[in-house]
Amino acid sequence: DTAVSQTPKYLVTQMGNDKSIKCEQNLGHDTMYWYKQDSKKFLKIMFSYNNKELIINETVPNRFSPKSPDKAHLNLHINSLELGDSAVYFCASSARDFPYNEQFFGPGTRLTVL
Amino acid sequence: DQQVKQNSPSLSVQEGRISILNCDYTNSMFDYFLWYKKYPAEGPTFLISISSIKDKNEDGRFTVFLNKSAKHLSLHIVPSQPGDSAVYFCAASAREYGNKLVFGAGTILRVKS
Repeated sequence: DTAVSQTPKYLVTQMGNDKSIKCEQNLGHDTMYWYKQDSKKFLKIMFSYNNKELIINETVPNRFSPKSPDKAHLNLHINSLELGDSAVYFCASSARDFPYNEQFFGPGTRLTVL
Repeated sequence: DQQVKQNSPSLSVQEGRISILNCDYTNSMFDYFLWYKKYPAEGPTFLISISSIKDKNEDGRFTVFLNKSAKHLSLHIVPSQPGDSAVYFCAASAREYGNKLVFGAGTILRVKS
């Protein structure tokens, strides 16, 4: 029974295109996150939503826009894709109450921009 | 500027022996530390955590030690098993920063049988 799921798992697209990655969690968590793992393997947070409200927005280009239709879903839309957007994107979720820091991750979406 | 550093890119250990993975941090605001394990093509999986008010937390074969004065933590795995072979990420968070996780670069652990 998948706790945090992401679709698609792989995404190959051309520069300039717009694409979306979907994330769903069935853990009943209030907070969801998007992380980017770049070519150097660093995992860096991009966004965090708590109960559909944006609470963390790191220095991410405006081309990236998260959308949370409800607290179980946090989708990531990327406009005008660039080569540097190629990375693995991970969705995660955590509970509101302690230990809220213990985040549960999805399997990742490998985005390749050609 | 990396606030969480894992200076050993890889570690190789014989099955049954102890694996010690190290992590250093620079930000004294961090108050919660976590270790995640990651297999290829999968997301990171939470392993064990420790609050800054403690210096040790144990869960089965896994023990995390925290030395606040040195801003250093370590993960001990005893005994190491081949299935422990994975990438281990150290992460830190602070309530002041909205509890976002700041990750180290990871250490690849290989347990040889």
